[in-house]
Amino acid sequence: QVQLQESGPGLVKPSQTLSLTCTVSGGSISSGSYYWSWIRQPAGKGLEWIGHIYNSGSTNYNPSLKSRVTISVDTSKNQFSLKLSSVTAADTAVYYCARDRGGGDLIWFDPWGQGTLVTVSS
Amino acid sequence: QSVLTQPPSVSGAPGQRVTISCTGSSSNIGAGYDVHWYQQLPGTAPKLLIYGNRNRPSGVPDRFSGSKSGTSASLAISGLQAEDEADYYCQSYDSNLSGFYVFGTGTKVTVL
Repeated sequence: QVQLQESGPGLVKPSQTLSLTCTVSGGSISSGSYYWSWIRQPAGKGLEWIGHIYNSGSTNYNPSLKSRVTISVDTSKNQFSLKLSSVTAADTAVYYCARDRGGGDLIWFDPWGQGTLVTVSS
Repeated sequence: QSVLTQPPSVSGAPGQRVTISCTGSSSNIGAGYDVHWYQQLPGTAPKLLIYGNRNRPSGVPDRFSGSKSGTSASLAISGLQAEDEADYYCQSYDSNLSGFYVFGTGTKVTVL
């Protein structure tokens, strides 16, 4: 079955850009009508949807983060990536990648990657 | 800040039934959008528990059940077991500028 794995630096300096990659295994990122999402969770807090991308490159972003987020896809590597610019301590969180199921306003998330902790600190 | 409100915690003895509420508004649950539920065991990623208000993915015990009415949804766990101790989150779609896909505030279930 499809599995997802996040990777990237665990420490980012304030004002810099956070960059993470999600590698999909057990299936092609190009097959099926799936969007692929990034979701984050600050320590001890709830979940926040960041945005998602289709294999064509079509994206949607959380309006609260839209000005700082870019999600891209590399179908040749079966990966999709997240860039979050101008980070502050408030962006410290565990970042998850996940596959969207359903469609449009009926989307849920399954499966999820194991998550990767990103700390913003100088 | 989440637009879906859950109680911070619920608890019950083994074998008991507990319910978790997820209260939204006219721009999400009340607008007819489906509710989905996730279980997050300590130190792990969330796992899909219920989708489309009441559907269980393969492998999820039938002790877990979901329902929706009006602007709220509920997750019920019957025959509570020690391994059910976890955080639970609801999720839906919001038609306002609240983030498209929104999660609940989360509920910690404690097995006494």
